[in-house]
Amino acid sequence: DADVTQTPRNRITKTGKRIMLECSQTKGHDRMYWYRQDPGLGLRLIYYSFDVKDINKGEISDGYSVSRQAQAKFSLSLESAIPNQTALYFCATSDSGTGVETQYFGPGTRLLVL
Amino acid sequence: QKEVEQNSGPLSVPEGAIASLNCTYSDRGSQSFFWYRQYSGKSPELIMFIYSNGDKEDGRFTAQLNKASQYVSLLIRDSQPSDSATYLCAVDDGQNFVFGPGTRLSVLP
Repeated sequence: DADVTQTPRNRITKTGKRIMLECSQTKGHDRMYWYRQDPGLGLRLIYYSFDVKDINKGEISDGYSVSRQAQAKFSLSLESAIPNQTALYFCATSDSGTGVETQYFGPGTRLLVL
Repeated sequence: QKEVEQNSGPLSVPEGAIASLNCTYSDRGSQSFFWYRQYSGKSPELIMFIYSNGDKEDGRFTAQLNKASQYVSLLIRDSQPSDSATYLCAVDDGQNFVFGPGTRLSVLP
């Protein structure tokens, strides 16, 4: 089984709808991240969480919210989806206990907002 | 704003050649540097990381770091068509990763 899973893998929704993307990990890592990827812009950080009680905004948090339900689960919500939120979304995890902290990515969720 | 820059490419090399991918970063306080490979529509996969000046080799891959010049590179020896992908440079500034836009590499048979 994959260490970092994301659901759904693909989603089509309409403008104004609320949508939740979920991420689960079995790596035992304490830190989790949400990124979006757009062509030519690379990966941009939306939110990150260093433990269950710690939530931080990233570079592009407007229009998004998150919930860290447990160490292994980190959800991203779009309260009212808009077309420019169409993108590929990745969840990532890392372990703060390692010497060089490396991020590991889930398979991604492709979101289309009509 | 902390920036990581890469040539977007595409960089085309013949099979068996050395591919050289470059990355510059703006934050002198950056700690560690990572190279990820991303196939189209897939998630980034870690190739290697480096945190000390100089070279680090792992199989056909060599990462090179020059902190004074704020420059990190990835060399791929004996390039194969399966190496065709986008290569992302990432920099750990001590708080978060900052990713470059990626360089698209095409290895021609």
